[in-house]
Amino acid sequence: SQQGEEDPQALSIQEGENATMNCSYKTSINNLQWYRQNSGRGLVHLILIRSNEREKHSGRLRVTLDTSKKSSSLLITASRAADTASYFCATDGQPDYKLSFGAGTTVTVRA
Amino acid sequence: EPEVTQTPSHQVTQMGQEVILRCVPISNHLYFYWYRQILGQKVEFLVSFYNNEISEKSEIFDDQFSVERPDGSNFTLKIRSTKLEDSAMYFCASSVGSINYGYTFGSGTRLTVV
Repeated sequence: SQQGEEDPQALSIQEGENATMNCSYKTSINNLQWYRQNSGRGLVHLILIRSNEREKHSGRLRVTLDTSKKSSSLLITASRAADTASYFCATDGQPDYKLSFGAGTTVTVRA
Repeated sequence: EPEVTQTPSHQVTQMGQEVILRCVPISNHLYFYWYRQILGQKVEFLVSFYNNEISEKSEIFDDQFSVERPDGSNFTLKIRSTKLEDSAMYFCASSVGSINYGYTFGSGTRLTVV
């Protein structure tokens, strides 16, 4: 399976702190994506990083990709209470193109 | 911003009954997907659909399940003879392309089989 696996499973931080979560996967990928899911809601696409990219930014989000280690990290800077959610990495790999999701990291930002 | 719309938001059904979950993907998207998430578990791929046919399906997507695009806008998932273990959130998603494009997910249908 090429599914990503996130680490840690849960993370609790103070508002204003940075949150870092990691994702590891098993097989070659076309790209890796990060999604957010608020409790009981749908998945929201945050950022996509292609296999030939090493780092990408979007607002307070920073994603890195190390294909040699088959791993990615998502950094949320200056966290806010509204960032409280579960974060999933998903890989779009070879030979099939469907997205495969990891189990997620639950982030709680304390006010 | 364009959205993927799913109806109903919550469906309760008796075991053994058939349910149809409905989705309206984003109009210029060409690829459609169904995923499910059993409470507290991973988001699991069910099926992908392109050019009016299934392009890929998972082991979960057996003869109990079927998908249809009955008109130019709707994309449906039919679950026949529902079982208790079919209780889950079912998410529809669509994307512009198959590779290197993010998916837009709907808010999901919570299916409860009793």
